[in-house]
Amino acid sequence: DQQVKQNSPSLSVQEGRISILNCDYTNSMFDYFLWYKKYPAEGPTFLISISSIKDKNEDGRFTVFLNKSAKHLSLHIVPSQPGDSAVYFCAASATGGTSYGKLTFGQGTILTVHP
Amino acid sequence: NAGVTQTPKFQVLKTGQSMTLQCAQDMNHEYMSWYRQDPGMGLRLIHYSVGAGITDQGEVPNGYNVSRSTTEDFPLRLLSAAPSQTSVYFCASSIDRNQPQHFGDGTRLSIL
Repeated sequence: DQQVKQNSPSLSVQEGRISILNCDYTNSMFDYFLWYKKYPAEGPTFLISISSIKDKNEDGRFTVFLNKSAKHLSLHIVPSQPGDSAVYFCAASATGGTSYGKLTFGQGTILTVHP
Repeated sequence: NAGVTQTPKFQVLKTGQSMTLQCAQDMNHEYMSWYRQDPGMGLRLIHYSVGAGITDQGEVPNGYNVSRSTTEDFPLRLLSAAPSQTSVYFCASSIDRNQPQHFGDGTRLSIL
């Protein structure tokens, strides 16, 4: 049972345009969401997070949107740069209950930004 | 400040062998965890620890043991390696379980 899903295995975008990466979740107990970026042969690097009390969080070129009713979050990168080419993972956790603090990851989306 | 250090980076084992994957962090983080990454499946939590002397199981704990005798170190032991444990293993740490985790660069393990 995949509780966090990234249904697009890959995304290709032109430099300067917007990249939109999507993530869906099924566990209604999840209330903290994160995006990680991963380059080959390296560990994931934290990018941005959002808690369920907010519906948007911005950090420079990166914005995460959360739609709790649809159990959907998205990461927007504007403008996209070739250095953004990487695998992006969304992750979710619950801040209470038996799953407290345990991260559940999606399968990842490979983003390629073309010059 | 090295962050999270994992050793070795690569390892090949034969079925039935045992080994320990090392993980150390120098950030005085209380929360540490181990994940495995398999193609098409993202990262899955194996075991985690909320502090020295305290460990618990994650999503896929079978075949693995952990202990946490110090804040800095969180080794992962494979008791009797099986081909299904061929994977890339990542160790991570954070100040507490509700903060973003810092990851090591992984150990690529092949079981023949």
